[in-house]
Amino acid sequence: AQSVTQLDSHVSVSEGTPVLLRCNYSSSYSPSLFWYVQHPNKGLQLLLKYTSAATLVKGINGFEAEFKKSETSFHLTKPSAHMSDAAEYFCVVSDQVNFNKFYFGSGTKLNVKP
Amino acid sequence: EAQVTQNPRYLITVTGKKLTVTCSQNMNHEYMSWYRQDPGLGLRQIYYSMNVEVTDKGDVPEGYKVSRKEKRNFPLILESPSPNQTSLYFCASSFSGQGPQETQYFGPGTRLLVL
Repeated sequence: AQSVTQLDSHVSVSEGTPVLLRCNYSSSYSPSLFWYVQHPNKGLQLLLKYTSAATLVKGINGFEAEFKKSETSFHLTKPSAHMSDAAEYFCVVSDQVNFNKFYFGSGTKLNVKP
Repeated sequence: EAQVTQNPRYLITVTGKKLTVTCSQNMNHEYMSWYRQDPGLGLRQIYYSMNVEVTDKGDVPEGYKVSRKEKRNFPLILESPSPNQTSLYFCASSFSGQGPQETQYFGPGTRLLVL
């Protein structure tokens, strides 16, 4: 069975400081993992995805995530937060067998203080 | 412009009154899916479709129906809405490819209130 746990429902950082959003997953098969971002009153947009190639994945807007199989984690990071990064972030898992089904984490709201 | 559109964007209805939320994409995607978003629960998959006339249940299909008669359209039907279906609904589409690596493109959402 697949599932995703986002460890923090809210994260607050100051502009210019690093961002860390944590995600742990459970999957019976080789997982594919995604991070999506949702700005207020908007649909979701893909930030990055891991599909069994390089374990360090670079995405848009300076975000990256590292797939760690031993820790079943896929944490999202950014070296320096910008005010425009304030949004809700979702970690998503699928896998090589049940690849039409997607399981979302409960989301992490990122607040960026000036 | 490549996009997924949903209509209506906002809907207030009463218990038991049948409604349909439409979803349309102009990217020739094979795969389409419906999700509902509730506070603290993230998004949960309701139904998905791999291609025309091929649909399957997601995690929370109870109380919903779908159909896929044309590639571009994937309507969500609530035959007898109940208050617990009050939610924010998203439609998404992607190419099918050979596995889960395809990016999903999301519509703007439909906010439904069932009284």
